[in-house]
Amino acid sequence: GQNIDQPTEMTATEGAIVQINCTYQTSGFNGLFWYQQHAGEAPTFLSYNVLDGLEEKGRFSSFLSRSKGYSYLLLKELQMKDSASYLCAVLDSNYQLIWGAGTKLIIKP
Amino acid sequence: GAVVSQHPSWVICKSGTSVKIECRSLDFQATTMFWYRQFPKQSLMLMATSNEGSKATYEQGVEKDKFLINHASLTLSTLTVTSAHPEDSSFYICSAREAEGSYEQYFGPGTRLTVT
Repeated sequence: GQNIDQPTEMTATEGAIVQINCTYQTSGFNGLFWYQQHAGEAPTFLSYNVLDGLEEKGRFSSFLSRSKGYSYLLLKELQMKDSASYLCAVLDSNYQLIWGAGTKLIIKP
Repeated sequence: GAVVSQHPSWVICKSGTSVKIECRSLDFQATTMFWYRQFPKQSLMLMATSNEGSKATYEQGVEKDKFLINHASLTLSTLTVTSAHPEDSSFYICSAREAEGSYEQYFGPGTRLTVT
């Protein structure tokens, strides 16, 4: 079966750094996405990785290791507005998105 | 960038009635549209995939006679929840993909359905 695992909830302090991990087992792999979703809103695109390595985009970076079936999203200089759920999703061999359950990130002052 | 709209953004209906939700790609042609449902504190659940001009493909456990999907044009797909019940209350989100083999899906803002 297809499976994506990420922690249910994480807490971090404003200004700090947090790493959200995601492991996956899917039928085929055409890339991994990270989305941010605020409560009551649709997901918004953060990053897409299809090759191994680190992709940096401002305060957010995403890493992928295909051999390990592993990715992480790194958030730096945390701000209160970063409080949201972060969804890991893998594009399988049929180009369908397989979603993780999401990680709720709580930022404390 | 690619924009997807949904209408209505929220709707309250009585049990037993039907509700139609529209999903439009505003500045691109969407060969494929996806309908998701999300219950509180849960992740997105794919309900069905629709390609323009053909019947939708429903995920296991999703009743196709209850959730009617029409993808009549390259910019519009509709989801009709027929004979709605309180357990159908959820957040319904559509997304659109521009071309076959394209990796990115563009999400609409979602529709909050409450059935009383």
